[in-house]
Order: sequence, then C-alpha cells, then structure tokens
Amino acid sequence: AQSVTQPDIHITVSEGASLELRCNYSYGATPYLFWYVQSPGQGLQLLLKYFSGDTLVQGIKGFEAEFKRSQSSFNLRKPSVHWSDAAEYFCAVGPSKTSYDKVIFGPGTSLSVIP
Amino acid sequence: DTAVSQTPKYLVTQMGNDKSIKCEQNLGHDTMYWYKQDSKKFLKIMFSYNNKELIINETVPNRFSPKSPDKAHLNLHINSLELGDSAVYFCASSQDRGWQGGDSPLHFGNGTRLTVT
Repeated sequence: AQSVTQPDIHITVSEGASLELRCNYSYGATPYLFWYVQSPGQGLQLLLKYFSGDTLVQGIKGFEAEFKRSQSSFNLRKPSVHWSDAAEYFCAVGPSKTSYDKVIFGPGTSLSVIP
Repeated sequence: DTAVSQTPKYLVTQMGNDKSIKCEQNLGHDTMYWYKQDSKKFLKIMFSYNNKELIINETVPNRFSPKSPDKAHLNLHINSLELGDSAVYFCASSQDRGWQGGDSPLHFGNGTRLTVT
C-alpha cells in the first residue's frame, strides 16, 4: 500500500539558515511526488512536484526537492530560510495517470523560524 | 478572485445537529474533493467527484453525504454531528480525474473549522 512518512514532526531553524525536510514514500511504481505548504489558517499550496525527468526539481519561494529512487526519498530543501517560511509542510504521493487511486499525504512537518 | 471558496470558515454546533459546508471553484476544474484534517494536522481524503459523479468514497460514516449539483460546486452535509467530527474540512479541486496531472495540481480552499460541543 502507498504510504508517506515525514520523520520530523517539528523543526526549528534560524532565519538565514539552510533547511532540509525529509520525506520517504512507499509505492509500487514510480510515484508522482509533491510538497505542499500550509500557512496558519490557510489551505494547502503546492510548492513543487515531480513526475519524471530531472530528479532535482525547483519550486516556488526558493524551494527545491530531490527525488532519490534508491532511498525512496523526496527531501525538500531551501538554502536560506525566511521568517515567512514558518508553516506546516506536507509531502504527498500521487497515483499514476491510469489509476484512480488517491493522493496520500504525509503527517506533516511543522517549521518554526527563529529571527 | 478566490479560486476555491468554502463557507462558512468557522462552524460551532452542538452534538446531534445537522450542518452543511459549501464549496465552489471558479477554475473550471472537472474534479472536486473533500479532505478532513484532524487535530494532529493529518489529512485524509473523504470524497471525490468528477463532473458530478462520485469517484472516491472513503470509509466515512454515512452521516456524511456529499452533493455536487454541478461540477463547480461540492457541498458536504453532516447529520447527527458527533464530538469526533470536530476537525478542519478542506475542499479542493483539480483539472484531472483521480490524480494530479501536469500543470493542474490540487487547489485547496482555506478550510472550514468545525467544532462540535
């Protein structure tokens, strides 16, 4: 069965420091992978997605993620964190185009930023 | 112009009541969803409709009944509310059916926080 794990429930970083949020997935085939961000009181916004091709994908707000098939990982990175990046981050794995299965979300990682 | 809008934003009600949450999208998408986010922020899909047809129906109590009058609207009606129904309910839409394809990922509303007392 599909599953997504995010090992870090909560991370605190200083403003200007680099960031890496971990995501591991379990999926029978090459998955579609996503990172979403949820600011307080808001819905989820897509940061970036991976379908195929280049394993390093760029997203909005200066985020990037790298797909590593051998490690079943899709970690999110940002070289320099801003205070406005404080939010909840969700990794998600999606179905293939020929399947009508559901998108599965990880449990989320809460990011706090120290000024 | 809000792409996916939900009303109300907050809903406080007593156990046993019946309530509805409305959702509208102006993106021209074919597929709409209801997700439930619990107190630990865990997100789980409840239902999905494609062009008014129910395509995903998770293990949800039958007190929850979605209704899609047209492909731009997906409402959620909840009967006999229970304490455990307290959560944030998100509506979302996507262009494609059953998966997030190409340049049309899930678009979420801002959520409805339901509190049952």
